[in-house]
Amino acid sequence: KAGVTQTPRYLIKTRGQQVTLSCSPISGHRSVSWYQQTPGQGLQFLFEYFSETQRNKGNFPGRFSGRQFSNSRSEMNVSTLELGDSALYLCASSLGSSANTGELFFGEGSRLTVL
Amino acid sequence: EDQVTQSPEALRLQEGESSSLNCSYTVSGLRGLFWYRQDPGKGPEFLFTLYSAGEEKEKERLKATLTKKESFLHITAPKPEDSATYLCAGHSGGGADGLTFGKGTHLIIQP
Repeated sequence: KAGVTQTPRYLIKTRGQQVTLSCSPISGHRSVSWYQQTPGQGLQFLFEYFSETQRNKGNFPGRFSGRQFSNSRSEMNVSTLELGDSALYLCASSLGSSANTGELFFGEGSRLTVL
Repeated sequence: EDQVTQSPEALRLQEGESSSLNCSYTVSGLRGLFWYRQDPGKGPEFLFTLYSAGEEKEKERLKATLTKKESFLHITAPKPEDSATYLCAGHSGGGADGLTFGKGTHLIIQP
């Protein structure tokens, strides 16, 4: 059974640019969550999508957005990149909404470096 | 505001030397306390879910326990392959903010 796939794995951008990250969940999983991981703040919740609807959103500025498609694949977008956006962005999928279960299956992440 | 604090930040043990990792939490209406393992360059891997005080879960050399304010991850006779960062996370009753993660304990098991 294939795991959660995130692309690209590594990318470098400059300040002011935008970036789109992609996540393909485990087959049959309808919930996709996104987390930002940095050495200083650890893992922080960005948002969750379930059946194409944003269910929950963390405390991040509006520059961070996402969406989910009918096949449960998800994308997140960060506009007007800042140096502080450099991080590992992790996608996680689960069978049901994470409101009901914390058993998340994580991908290996997309490491974003902003110069 | 929900908070999860893990200690110690780092721990170095000899192979076979048992120890415990601590996770203290203030999560309103806790619906679950979760433990994950993260290896370098990888995403976190789910280990355990604990729902109520007094509950215990075991997997190989790991045992997780939960009280009303803390959770412990006990590692018995660890092996070098147990080296990883162990993350604790809480989920509140509102479910509005996803999981609240601690910053993790970086565990090194020396042969």
